[in-house]
Amino acid sequence: KNEVEQSPQNLTAQEGEFITINCSYSVGISALHWLQQHPGGGIVSLFMLSSGKKKHGRLIATINIQEKHSSLHITASHPRDSAVYICAVWDTGNQFYFGTGTSLTVIP
Amino acid sequence: KAGVTQTPRYLIKTRGQQVTLSCSPISGHRSVSWYQQTPGQGLQFLFEYFSETQRNKGNFPGRFSGRQFSNSRSEMNVSTLELGDSALYLCASSLWQGSEETQYFGPGTRLLVL
Repeated sequence: KNEVEQSPQNLTAQEGEFITINCSYSVGISALHWLQQHPGGGIVSLFMLSSGKKKHGRLIATINIQEKHSSLHITASHPRDSAVYICAVWDTGNQFYFGTGTSLTVIP
Repeated sequence: KAGVTQTPRYLIKTRGQQVTLSCSPISGHRSVSWYQQTPGQGLQFLFEYFSETQRNKGNFPGRFSGRQFSNSRSEMNVSTLELGDSALYLCASSLWQGSEETQYFGPGTRLLVL
């Protein structure tokens, strides 16, 4: 049983395309995180959300608490956006669950 | 400010041995979390420490333990190593600004158990 599901698992896009990565979860949560992991293994925290929408540069994250769903959007994608994007949630029992990640490749 | 540092970066052990990994958080960060990443299971939460107290714990056996010191540095110990403990172990320190948390991840310690 996976508490956090991401789709798609793999995504290839042309440079400049608009990208959407989806995350659905089955538990009650206090917060949701989006993380970015580069091929070397380094992880960067992108967003923490508990409601609504956040924007940072070309990245936009939204969350719908009622539908237990979050999306990460990348506008005007660039090859440097190529990475694995991971959704993670803190449930209300203080357990932290991770999705399996979406591997994004942006082709020049 | 220096980032999160983890030592050692690579480690090879044999089954049955024990190992201690170290994590130094960003200066001023009081929360340190540990994670295990494997190709099969992905990322999994081990535990979180705040001000020397374990605040949250994931679903790992008691062979996995940790502690945090008064300077916020944290150590993780795995006793009686098994082959399945081979993984990348990541720690992250957290900055809380109001109700917003930002985690800063270290580069990880890659452990191979033979």
